[in-house]
Amino acid sequence: GESVGLHLPTLSVQEGDNSIINCAYSNSASDYFIWYKQESGKGPQFIIDIRSNMDKRQGQRVTVLLNKTVKHLSLQIAATQPGDSAVYFCAEKEVGNAGNMLTFGGGTRLMVKP
Amino acid sequence: NAGVTQTPKFQVLKTGQSMTLQCAQDMNHNSMYWYRQDPGMGLRLIYYSASEGTTDKGEVPNGYNVSRLNKREFSLRLESAAPSQTSVYFCASRRRPLETQYFGPGTRLLVL
Repeated sequence: GESVGLHLPTLSVQEGDNSIINCAYSNSASDYFIWYKQESGKGPQFIIDIRSNMDKRQGQRVTVLLNKTVKHLSLQIAATQPGDSAVYFCAEKEVGNAGNMLTFGGGTRLMVKP
Repeated sequence: NAGVTQTPKFQVLKTGQSMTLQCAQDMNHNSMYWYRQDPGMGLRLIYYSASEGTTDKGEVPNGYNVSRLNKREFSLRLESAAPSQTSVYFCASRRRPLETQYFGPGTRLLVL
């Protein structure tokens, strides 16, 4: 799920299937992680977040998994719907960051085929 | 509750012109942020304001200035626009001590 510059990684799934979007992070001092969904022409929309003292968190149809050993974050979307088509960004925050500055990954485009 | 609002939605400038992007939030949030997003990339922080009366540089502050006018409003100014500042600009806010940032709809800026 990492960016390779201008070419966004793309995940194409069939409607009704489960989707898994991956994100690798590099800062072992990060203590907070968040996923955003961005539809074309709109601002990022909060989906789910997780703190580093957890390894899994569930929301409505979404689950975030955190593997601190390999610095990997994933977003699982159950029963993917056409409305889930968007670009998904992960972001991280370093512990002790007074301004709560987030560092964003490059994004992954999810395309849902009807 | 409108959340985070931004004006204008679109703007075209000539090189050297100046303009101010406006951002306002009605969620009583303490902290506000300005990001830019270039094609196919994630967001990069320009400036932020941890609380009313304070501002700090982010990752890419050169060519920009900000003003935290009051608790609700945080503006971003380009004094002399350059083509490299062509981008989509997003404002965000959060309520301390929570960490979630909420974003506005963006301003699309083209500098010719």
